[in-house]
This record gives sequence, C-alpha cells and structure tokens, in this order.
Amino acid sequence: QLQLQESGPGLVKPSETLSLTCTVSDGSITNSTYYWGWIRQPPGKGLEWIGSIYYSGATYYNPSLKNRVTISIDTSKNHFSLRLSSVTAADTALYFCVREAGVTIHPRMDVWGKGTTVTVSS
Amino acid sequence: QSVLTQPPSASGTPGQRVTISCSGSSSNIGTNTVSWYQQLPGTAPKLLIYTNNQRPSGVPDRFSGSKSGTSASLAISGLQSEDEADYYCAAWDDSLNGWVFGGGTRLTVL
Repeated sequence: QLQLQESGPGLVKPSETLSLTCTVSDGSITNSTYYWGWIRQPPGKGLEWIGSIYYSGATYYNPSLKNRVTISIDTSKNHFSLRLSSVTAADTALYFCVREAGVTIHPRMDVWGKGTTVTVSS
Repeated sequence: QSVLTQPPSASGTPGQRVTISCSGSSSNIGTNTVSWYQQLPGTAPKLLIYTNNQRPSGVPDRFSGSKSGTSASLAISGLQSEDEADYYCAAWDDSLNGWVFGGGTRLTVL
C-alpha cells in the first residue's frame, strides 16, 4: 500500500526558506492518475491547502501563498518537495503531504503522510 | 476565515445520529463534489467520504454524506466513542483554482 513520508528541518528562522520533501513508497509518483499535494495545519487550527503538482511538473498554488511557494517533483527519486520562502511565525504548522486521486472526476485526498512539524523561530 | 463553513462543534451520546453541515458557494460545492476527512486526536486526517456520498473501502456504513445545491452534510449514525474527532469538508474551488476546506467540526461523544 502506497505510503507518504515527509522530511525536513523542524526549525526554520524567520525570513528564511522552509524546505520539505515527501517520499513516495510502494507506488510510482509518475502514475498519471494522481496529483501530489501539500496541506498544512497551524497549531490548534484547521487545514489549509498549499499547492499540488502533477508528474509532468504542472502546479497549482493557493493564491494566498503563491508568491512564496514552489512545489517541485523528482521522478527519479520518487519524491516531491515544498519550498516556502520568507517565512514568519504564521507559517508554524504541521505539514502534510497527500496524494490526490480522481482529479478530473471524483477528486479526493486519499493518502496522507503522518505530517511533520515545522516551527518558525529565531 | 475558511471558504467552506462548518459548525465548530457537535455532540451526541452513544447510539445517536449526528449531522455536520458544510456550506459553500457556486464556485466550490455548487459545482464540484465534496469530500470529508476525519482527524482523530494526534493523527493525520483520513478520507471518510468522497464524491459527496461514496465511502472508501474500510469506512463503516454508519458514515454517510449528502449534497444539495451549495451545501453538504456528513451523518454519523450509531455514534461510538471512537468517532470523537475533528471532521473537515473539502471541495475544489473553480474561482481559486484550488482546494478549499471547512474550518472543521469537533465532535464530542458524551
């Protein structure tokens, strides 16, 4: 069964760039049926979609974060990555990577990573 | 402020039926299908309902979903203590060209 695992620094300084990677195991990231995305959850708050990427490299970003977000994909390593620049304390959150199934019909986020906590602090 | 609107809390006693609402607009729920996610304490969200009313394999039939116009609902019948969790609705938004979520509903089993 396909699994997702987030990895990256747990602490980032203000104004610096947050970088996370999601490794896909027991499945191929080049499967044309799926998109791959990032979701975050600030402490005690709800879920926020950050952006999504297709194996071809096509991306969709949350308009509220678009100027600071880059999502990339490395099909040779079967992983995709998130970069969020100029971070502030408001970017402190639990970050999840997800698989998005049925994007054109029956869209859903059907596989989630366990999440990784990122704290922005000096 | 979330694009989709959910009540912040809901509650019920074991065996009861509870419903959680999710209100949107013509650019999201009115046009696209709704999915629901269950987040147990300290864990990642899990897909509970997709395409308004479809259950993934392994989700008990006590959970059901519906959609009408720009609103959707999640119903849980035969409430159990292990259903105590946060529940989120989500839909694709054609105006934002991205996913939008509800603010989440914390379900308490009394």
